[in-house]
Amino acid sequence: EDQVTQSPEALRLQEGESSSLNCSYTVSGLRGLFWYRQDPGKGPEFLFTLYSAGEEKEKERLKATLTKKESFLHITAPKPEDSATYLCAVSGSARQLTFGSGTQLTVLP
Amino acid sequence: ETGVTQTPRHLVMGMTNKKSLKCEQHLGHNAMYWYKQSAKKPLELMFVYSLEERVENNSVPSRFSPECPNSSHLFLHLHTLQPEDSALYLCASSQGLAGGQSEQYFGPGTRLTVT
Repeated sequence: EDQVTQSPEALRLQEGESSSLNCSYTVSGLRGLFWYRQDPGKGPEFLFTLYSAGEEKEKERLKATLTKKESFLHITAPKPEDSATYLCAVSGSARQLTFGSGTQLTVLP
Repeated sequence: ETGVTQTPRHLVMGMTNKKSLKCEQHLGHNAMYWYKQSAKKPLELMFVYSLEERVENNSVPSRFSPECPNSSHLFLHLHTLQPEDSALYLCASSQGLAGGQSEQYFGPGTRLTVT
């Protein structure tokens, strides 16, 4: 059974204070690891897909990395508008996405 | 319209009512999904359709009934719901099935409250 654990559950940062979110996973035959951003009352917004260990992707202040056991979402010099819940999901032999519970990020001005 | 749209955005219904949620995708995708999102819990996959054929039913109660008339439209018919069914219901679409390498794109969701 595929499993995804995200930590921390909640994170408060000052504007400009860089940090990382963690996504640990166990999956049979990883086909892809996905990061999403979700604002309150809205659907998840796709950010990145990572396919193999060592892969990295960047978008503005966000950088996602992948190892064989975990993925990190690094946030560099965050701004208040980066406040959201960040979701991690994996796809494997189960033929469906398995999501983590998310990390709720708050960036204070 | 662009992306994935859902209507209504908010719905309040009694336990004896019958209602339907609607989803439409404008991305040319061939797979569509219904998810349930409850507070502090991971997204739960309810139904998957690929090329209008239901692929999986993850043991969802029969009070939820999906319908996919074509590759762009998806419905979730609701009847005799329970208060614990109150949640955000999300529709998503992808090119190819989950379990592959295709990302899913989500709609804004329907906030359902069962009284």
